[in-house]
Amino acid sequence: GAVVSQHPSRVICKSGTSVKIECRSLDFQATTMFWYRQFPKKSLMLMATSNEGSKATYEQGVEKDKFLINHASLTLSTLTVTSAHPEDSSFYICSARVGRELNYGYTFGSGTRLTVV
Amino acid sequence: GDSVTQMEGPVTLSEEAFLTINCTYTATGYPSLFWYVQYPGEGLQLLLKATKADDKGSNKGFEATYRKETTSFHLEKGSVQVSDSAVYFCALTSTGRRALTFGSGTRLQVQP
Repeated sequence: GAVVSQHPSRVICKSGTSVKIECRSLDFQATTMFWYRQFPKKSLMLMATSNEGSKATYEQGVEKDKFLINHASLTLSTLTVTSAHPEDSSFYICSARVGRELNYGYTFGSGTRLTVV
Repeated sequence: GDSVTQMEGPVTLSEEAFLTINCTYTATGYPSLFWYVQYPGEGLQLLLKATKADDKGSNKGFEATYRKETTSFHLEKGSVQVSDSAVYFCALTSTGRRALTFGSGTRLQVQP
């Protein structure tokens, strides 16, 4: 089945530094990837939709200059948290939609636990 | 906008008990409905889905029926096991929106 590989699984960084999270589709081409943020004991909140070869579409309230998304190829999308602060600490998950029409589904990366100290 | 409401957790059950996790939604058009499961330390996995009214999704003993009249998609299992302990998310996609909208998740703890 369709697999999305997400790295790193855990990262600790200092305040003010930047962190890059990668998501790769291993056995399919992902023209669109979705980036979610999951707060403790809360739901997954969509941050942005990443489109191959074009600018990402950000949800309301998400700072596009802080959460840089690049989708330069059909198999790789990256999320860079710039000038990270402790409040950016969270669990970030990427997802891709696979299949067509009514027979579609979503596959998820295993997530990245970001801790900013 | 679209939204999904799930019952608060945690839900604690004994093994072989009957499980119901309630899920209701609001959405534009004709949404597709999903249940995802997140086991400890793992990513989300699709449990089941339904794409139109009155459809029943089923997998691993879990079932959910798409009820348009009550805008609900409740998850049920007749006899839970310890291995079912996880967080369960109800989600939907609707017309013109490709991303999933998730409920807040319900943690299930099954005790031996």
